[in-house]
Amino acid sequence: QSVLTQPPSASGTPGQRVTISCSGSSSNIGSNYVYWYQQLPRTAPKLLIYRDIQRPSGVPDRFSGSKSGTSASLAISGLRSEDEADYYCAAWDDSLSHVVFGGGTKLTVL
Amino acid sequence: EVQLLESGGGLVQPGGSLTLSCAASGFSFSSHAMSWVRQAPEKGLEWVSSISGSGYTTYYAGSVKGRFTISRDNSDNTLYLQMNSLRAEDTAVYYCAEVPGESGSYPHFDYWGQGTLVTVSS
Repeated sequence: QSVLTQPPSASGTPGQRVTISCSGSSSNIGSNYVYWYQQLPRTAPKLLIYRDIQRPSGVPDRFSGSKSGTSASLAISGLRSEDEADYYCAAWDDSLSHVVFGGGTKLTVL
Repeated sequence: EVQLLESGGGLVQPGGSLTLSCAASGFSFSSHAMSWVRQAPEKGLEWVSSISGSGYTTYYAGSVKGRFTISRDNSDNTLYLQMNSLRAEDTAVYYCAEVPGESGSYPHFDYWGQGTLVTVSS
């Protein structure tokens, strides 16, 4: 049972816009930045979004992050087949005094 | 170019010990916190431990606290994870990850290693 809750799966067709949610609490998302990672099959995770909404250089602007209260979302617009991957949210938890990850969302491009 | 190269994984019996290493290059190692993140087979990511750039501050997941010890050698640009009293549920690929700052109290992992597999089984 992960501290941050994500839907186990999401799907969309090429060109569509999909969103992945990440629900937490006041001790994590509600008071700290959210980070998003993409993990392609059989590879190490890659930072996609940091500090809620920032994109590292090289990450396409098709990927965007948002946050409201104790929930965050990752949006992917103009969906492409290469976006098929697992996506994880993460945050620091003040009560636990450590990093927490969401359980991950497997995105399928139909 | 930032490079992180883990080593030390392998097969170990329950109750045994293992030490993982992560050789870092391409950045000012002592100025960056470092972390270990693991992934059990067919499971999600689980943060394990973080250490500040100076090495003075460490953080641990509850599942490994008291059994695992994170450390670093800034003169050798190497991160370590000493794992004792290993259990079957510790079986996972262990990744080291770089944090773009001295503090380890946030999950901002810019660069990741390729991972090293630890299998705990009799």
